Order: sequence, then C-alpha cells, then structure tokens
Amino acid sequence: ELKVEQNPLFLSMQEGKNYTIYCNYSTTSDRLYWYRQDPGKSLESLFVLLSNGAVKQEGRLMASLDTKARLSTLHITAAVHDLSATYFCAGDTGTASKLTFGTGTRLQVTL
Amino acid sequence: EPEVTQTPSHQVTQMGQEVILRCVPISNHLYFYWYRQILGQKVEFLVSFYNNEISEKSEIFDDQFSVERPDGSNFTLKIRSTKLEDSAMYFCASSDGKSVYSNQPQHFGDGTRLSIL
Repeated sequence: ELKVEQNPLFLSMQEGKNYTIYCNYSTTSDRLYWYRQDPGKSLESLFVLLSNGAVKQEGRLMASLDTKARLSTLHITAAVHDLSATYFCAGDTGTASKLTFGTGTRLQVTL
Repeated sequence: EPEVTQTPSHQVTQMGQEVILRCVPISNHLYFYWYRQILGQKVEFLVSFYNNEISEKSEIFDDQFSVERPDGSNFTLKIRSTKLEDSAMYFCASSDGKSVYSNQPQHFGDGTRLSIL
C-alpha cells in the first residue's frame, strides 16, 4: 500500500528566501500531485508529475519527480507572503484510483 | 472553469443523527470520490465511485457510511448515525478517469464542515 511522507511539517521562512519541501513515497506511484490548501479552504491542484525526471514550474514554485528515489520536491524561489498555505503531495496507483496524501507542510512566509 | 460544488458548507448535527452531504461533480467526469480531513490533519480517502457502484473504500468507510448518485448530477455521502469522531471537513472530488498518462488531477469541491455535538 502506498505511503506518502512529507517534510518538514512546518516551515517558517522569510520573504525572498528559497526553500524545498520533500515528499517521499513508499511504493511505485503512477502519478505524483502537489496541492495547495489555504486555511478552511479546498485543495487547489498545483502540479501533476507523470514520469521520472519530470519538472514543472509555475511562478515561484517548481516541482520535480525522481521515481528511482521515490522522491518529489517542491521548490520555492524568493518566497512571498501570498505563498503562505499548507502544501500537500499525493500519489495514486492506477487510472482514477484514490489519492494517498502526505501529512502536509504548513508554510508561513514572514516579512 | 467547471468546478465541483458541495452543499451545505457547514452542517451541525446532534450525535446519532443522520446527515447527507451533497456534491455536484464536474459534468463530464466519470469518477467520484469522498475524502475527509480532521482539523489540522492530512486528507484521508473514504470512497470512490464509478459506473454507479463503489470501486474502492477505506477502513473508515464502515457500515454507517453510504454513497449514492440519485440522478445524473448529484453525488451524496450519507452517515447514518453520526459519532463525535465524524466531525471533520468532507471533500468531494471528481476526475475524468483518463489513463495514467493524463495530466488531469482530481478536482476538489470547497468541502462541507461537519460538526457533531
């Protein structure tokens, strides 16, 4: 059964700094997802990573996937306050199968 | 952009009462899901539904839970006799169910906050 772990659980960073969130998973995952959740809100899809070596970028966020290491990273470049949220990675193991979520990383960007 | 809609946004219920949470998935999607998130914790899978039947369910989804697609648009989650530990945010999601090579994610609704007293 797929297990997904994230670290760190909580990240406080200053505006303008760079940081990386790590997502490890236990068995083969067909796809790896990153979602953002603002407090009390829904899950917003950020990235879908399909294959080894996949890299996707949107604004100050960049996600990558290494299937051999069973590792995905979400890199934040020059953080701004608007990026404060909880970020979840999730994996699935087949077409239209359930998502297994990591514990989430609560990111707080301070001035 | 099409979206998943959920009602109500907040439901307060006495323990032991039945609740029905409602969802309208994206219209051309074929796969539907319920997840829950206890406050401050991760998102947990409850059940998936395809072609008018359950395709997978988790250990959480016991006999107190049921799902239904009563018409062509709604997808409901029923909890027959609620317990205090059922208090959580419940998210509905849908997907188009295309192959593993598709880059389309599951789309989530805004959730229903269920509070059991």
